Amino acid sequence: NAGVTQTPKFRILKIGQSMTLQCTQDMNHNYMYWYRQDPGMGLKLIYYSVGAGITDKGEVPNGYNVSRSTTEDFPLRLELAAPSQTSVYFCASSPGLASLYEQYFGPGTRLTVT
Amino acid sequence: DAKTTQPPSMDCAEGRAANLPCNHSTISGNEYVYWYRQIHSQGPQYIIHGLKNNETNEMASLIITEDRKSSTLILPHATLRDTAVYYCIVRVATGYSTLTFGKGTMLLVSP
Repeated sequence: NAGVTQTPKFRILKIGQSMTLQCTQDMNHNYMYWYRQDPGMGLKLIYYSVGAGITDKGEVPNGYNVSRSTTEDFPLRLELAAPSQTSVYFCASSPGLASLYEQYFGPGTRLTVT
Repeated sequence: DAKTTQPPSMDCAEGRAANLPCNHSTISGNEYVYWYRQIHSQGPQYIIHGLKNNETNEMASLIITEDRKSSTLILPHATLRDTAVYYCIVRVATGYSTLTFGKGTMLLVSP
């Protein structure tokens, strides 16, 4: 199993550009999550999904969109990049409710918006 | 969700036990205690979780006080690779719940 994979590893965007961060898991987990981590801070939940076709907002959803058309994939879309979105983005998955099951994290995408 | 309080940093000598404390005095009866860690530039890694009994796995032990207001994560023989930020998280086990990560404890294991 590859676990949770994320692409790209690094990206530099100009203000106003758009991009999609890819996340794929091969563990057949229903639950998937997107977090961002700013320097020296903990993780903040952006969006999560409890299954294909079902997504919901987390703590900091503004400026982002997600979709979940398959169990395996959970892409995160930035439509109009802003400097405040400079961060490290982590995707995670879990077999059930996050409070009962451990989450498995990807290696992260380091995004800089200038 | 109950709030948690952790020291910002701790030191430990290689080969010794690392005991990381966490206070969660407002924890309620249906909330679990979770521990994750994050090695520099990597994604967080699950360590262990528990409700009220002490738990042990191949990575660590979790000791929860009888009143459940605090807990301690124990790494029995710390190695240099255990240098990481350790997060203590408390979360209720119902609904579409997620985990909220605070600032954690930076554990530095030295030779």
